[in-house]
Formats: sequence, C-alpha cells, structure tokens
Amino acid sequence: AQSVTQLGSHVSVSEGALVLLRCNYSSSVPPYLFWYVQYPNQGLQLLLKYTSAATLVKGINGFEAEFKKSETSFHLTKPSAHMSDAAEYFCAVSDLTGNQFYFGTGTSLTVIP
Amino acid sequence: DAGVTQSPTHLIKTRGQQVTLRCSPKSGHDTVSWYQQALGQGPQFIFQYYEEEERQRGNFPDRFSGHQFPNYSSELNVNALLLGDSALYLCASTRQGITYEQYFGPGTRLTVT
Repeated sequence: AQSVTQLGSHVSVSEGALVLLRCNYSSSVPPYLFWYVQYPNQGLQLLLKYTSAATLVKGINGFEAEFKKSETSFHLTKPSAHMSDAAEYFCAVSDLTGNQFYFGTGTSLTVIP
Repeated sequence: DAGVTQSPTHLIKTRGQQVTLRCSPKSGHDTVSWYQQALGQGPQFIFQYYEEEERQRGNFPDRFSGHQFPNYSSELNVNALLLGDSALYLCASTRQGITYEQYFGPGTRLTVT
C-alpha cells in the first residue's frame, strides 16, 4: 500500500528564512506526489504536484519540491518564509489511477516575525 | 468558475443518529471523492464516485455510504453515528482522465455528541 511520512509535526521558522518541510513516501512504483496547504477552517489547496515529468516541481506562492527516487523523498522548500505561509501542510501520494490519495499526518508551519 | 462547494458548513448530531452531507463538484468535473479528517490528522480516503457508482473504497465500515447524482453532485451518508465520527469531511472533485488533479471543498465539520 502507498503511504507517506512527514517528519516533524511542527516546524517554526523566522520570517525571511528558508522553509523545509520533509516528506518520504513508500511506493513500489513511481507514484504521483502532492503537497497541499490547509489554512484554519478551510479545505485543502494544491501547492504543487509531481507526475513523473521534471523532478524539480515549482508550485504556487514560491514553493517548490524535488522528487528524489533514490531517497524516496519529496521535500517542500521555499527560499524565504512569509507570515502568510503559516498553515498546515500535507504531503500526499496517489497510485497511477489517481483514484485514491494517501495523506501524511501534516506539518504545522509557524512563521516568527 | 465555482469551485467545490459543500453543505452544511457545520453539523451537530447525537450518537446513533444518521447524517447526510452534500457536495457539488467544480464545474467540468465528473468524479467525486470523500475524505474524513480527524482533528490533528491527515485526510483519510472514504470512497470515490464516478458515473453514479462507487469506484473505490477506503477502509471505512458500511455505515458510510454515498451517492452520486446525474449532475455529478454527491452525498455522503453516515448511519448509527459514533463519537469517533466527529471530524471534518472533505469532498474533492476531479475530471476523469485527470484524476491526479483533485480540488477540495471547504469541508463540513461534523460533531457527534
């Protein structure tokens, strides 16, 4: 079965500092990988997705992620954190049918002014 | 272009009761998935509907059932509510053939007392 592990349930960074949120996946075949953001009392918004094209994926709001098959990782980064980035971030994997997504437990990002 | 909409926003039910949640997919989408997000957890896949049929199901009991209408909207029904059913229920829609692009609604917050 597919699964993802998000290392660190809480991450704090200073405004302007690098954001790094970690995600490792478990899959027997190259999967589709996603990062979603969730603001309080809202649904999930897609940040970016990897669908077996370029390994470095650029998303919205300055975020990007790199698919590393050798490390089974798909870490999310942003060069400079903004206060508005404070939210819950979820990594997800789907099989090639895309019918079922498997989400990690989430990482809460706090941005310190 | 309206996104995914869900109703109601909040719901309070008593243990043992039944509940129906509703979802209208994004315009142009024909596939609807339902997820349960318990507090502090990532979303868990309940099931997916396409062409008015349940296409795939996660690890949820038969108390959870659904329906998809000809206009692609969907309902999630939960019978014999348990306290543990308290969660945010998210609906996601996509278009057949592009199933890796799921758009999520804002969710329905269900509280079972």
